[in-house]
Amino acid sequence: GESVGLHLPTLSVQEGDNSIINCAYSNSASDYFIWYKQESGKGPQFIIDIRSNMDKRQGQRVTVLLNKTVKHLSLQIAATQPGDSAVYFCAEINLLPRSSASKIIFGSGTRLSIRP
Amino acid sequence: DSGVTQTPKHLITATGQRVTLRCSPRSGDLSVYWYQQSLDQGLQFLIQYYNGEERAKGNILERFSAQQFPDLHSELNLSSLELGDSALYFCASSPYPGLAGVRNSYEQYFGPGTRLTVT
Repeated sequence: GESVGLHLPTLSVQEGDNSIINCAYSNSASDYFIWYKQESGKGPQFIIDIRSNMDKRQGQRVTVLLNKTVKHLSLQIAATQPGDSAVYFCAEINLLPRSSASKIIFGSGTRLSIRP
Repeated sequence: DSGVTQTPKHLITATGQRVTLRCSPRSGDLSVYWYQQSLDQGLQFLIQYYNGEERAKGNILERFSAQQFPDLHSELNLSSLELGDSALYFCASSPYPGLAGVRNSYEQYFGPGTRLTVT
């Protein structure tokens, strides 16, 4: 499949360890944040979202942490598996629901590599 | 398999031409999003439709347009194509209003994409 973002930062993690992928966002007024996973040659896959008034949200084997003070978002993956190998994107959402100006802004992505 | 289909899978065309990309959402999903992914600009949100109406517009060029039909499938029209329009174009569907509302989920299901090459 195609490589997306050939010059992405790479995080290498031992299989079975926890992974922490970080993202800095730009707009302190963003309303929601989303994490996506994209495997080679495939479309993105929604992982989890978090509203701006929350600090933490948990899903299946994943936890997203939001630190609004430093405009930082992280995705923690527990017990990393080979199938977790992918590029991970964060995105921030700026909502203006009474107009058509609401936007989704993506980060550049981090490649997660799993060592056996 | 996300349940979202996109056609064609690949498209090669010349500069100045016009193409139409098609997206069929998952059964029952009312929202359709379009995205562009290129190596130099990454993922970019283009536009969202909810139940036939345009609800959010992102970095979509004036040469591009989209619509969502009564059966909820969507088409993205790209005209006066330039070399820089070469990219992967993804659509995604969702049962939620997303950018069309507040306090809801942004869970989306992406299609496999259409790879557009402009020569």
